[in-house]
Amino acid sequence: QKEVEQDPGPLSVPEGAIVSLNCTYSNSAFQYFMWYRQYSRKGPELLMYTYSSGNKEDGRFTAQVDKSSKYISLFIRDSQPSDSATYLCAMRRNQGGKLIFGQGTELSVKP
Amino acid sequence: EAGVAQSPRYKIIEKRQSVAFWCNPISGHATLYWYQQILGQGPKLLIQFQNNGVVDDSQLPKDRFSAERLKGVDSTLKIQPAKLEDSAVYLCASSLGAGANYGYTFGSGTRLTVV
Repeated sequence: QKEVEQDPGPLSVPEGAIVSLNCTYSNSAFQYFMWYRQYSRKGPELLMYTYSSGNKEDGRFTAQVDKSSKYISLFIRDSQPSDSATYLCAMRRNQGGKLIFGQGTELSVKP
Repeated sequence: EAGVAQSPRYKIIEKRQSVAFWCNPISGHATLYWYQQILGQGPKLLIQFQNNGVVDDSQLPKDRFSAERLKGVDSTLKIQPAKLEDSAVYLCASSLGAGANYGYTFGSGTRLTVV
């Protein structure tokens, strides 16, 4: 079993739709949870960062962490064609720098 | 601030040949990471440096991969000899520190194709 599981998609939605991206994980030691966005032929860029359980909102993006269920989500409201990219969840333990990534979900937002 | 620089952007080699990738992190970033991203998968850590010392190389295939970070600044990742399964994007990332609350900045990667 992989430490972090993510539905690879691809996911195609119309412009303006609400998008839900999810990851599950098996290691209860993870404390820090991140979402990265990766455009084609580019490196991942940090989108959202959450510590422990709870919600965090930044503009059209909301990250949720449910540690009891070992489940994290990223919601994108009013999705735009510019949101078309691969979204990677990532997490790390309390100490140390190693990020464990999910396999990424490819999102396409159609005009 | 300038980003993480990587070169070359693309490389095609035959199996059993050798190849080297170069990374220049963001100025002042003490921690440097090399990740391997196979098509359709998330990045996997190969090696982590703190200044010029190795912190974690547990997933580096040491029989064929080597990495160094002389003077604690730029870094080189080498593969010798390459195998077909080494075809991937090799991403370099850097951060101010290795603690859990430091974010990473990734370069655009080197896309390696082994034929």
